[in-house]
Amino acid sequence: EVQLVESGGGLVQPGGSLRLSCAASGFTYTSYWMHWVRQAPGKGLVWVSRINNDGDNTRYADSVKGRFTVSRDNAKNTLYLQMNSLRAEDTAVYYCARGDARFGMDVWGQGTTVTVSS
Amino acid sequence: DIQMTQSPSSLSASIGDRVTISCRASQSISNYLSWFQQKPGKAPKLLIYGASSLQSGVPLRFSGSGSGTDFTLTISSLQPEDFATYYCQQTYSTFGGGTRVEI
Repeated sequence: EVQLVESGGGLVQPGGSLRLSCAASGFTYTSYWMHWVRQAPGKGLVWVSRINNDGDNTRYADSVKGRFTVSRDNAKNTLYLQMNSLRAEDTAVYYCARGDARFGMDVWGQGTTVTVSS
Repeated sequence: DIQMTQSPSSLSASIGDRVTISCRASQSISNYLSWFQQKPGKAPKLLIYGASSLQSGVPLRFSGSGSGTDFTLTISSLQPEDFATYYCQQTYSTFGGGTRVEI
């Protein structure tokens, strides 16, 4: 079964850091770009970041640039999102998604919740 | 950056109704347009890719059309399980604001 499972969410104080993980299974992980998308409570979907197959090409939304870092460990079939200097407005459910070259973002994880609050 | 604008932001419909949701890009994106369905507490589900291609397993009552800057998602006969929020996305990038389909 093709599956993505996020973990690492939680409560963190403003200015703090958190690292999210996304474990992939059931497909050839190294064949796909991967994405992070977030959704603040009661709000819409916002694309956050993406990384290419080899991990040497990344891109970020302006709202997280310089604070978040996406990476991947192809040996472990795992995607990461290192989040630093967290702000209240980063509070959201964070989803990882597979980026298929033909179909777009076709497989999504169940999401992990990040709450930034003192 | 390209902006994606959906309309309406919400709509009320009945079972069996034909529903149309619009999505406009601030500049041409060719056919790099995806549509997603999201139900409360769940991850988004891909419905349409390449503006008009139906993702495997998605019912035939869903269809997409358009290219360039103007796109449409149509549900030909609304079913109870279709009440959800729908998002367009410039593929791999910006999402529209969403359209909530309510009873």
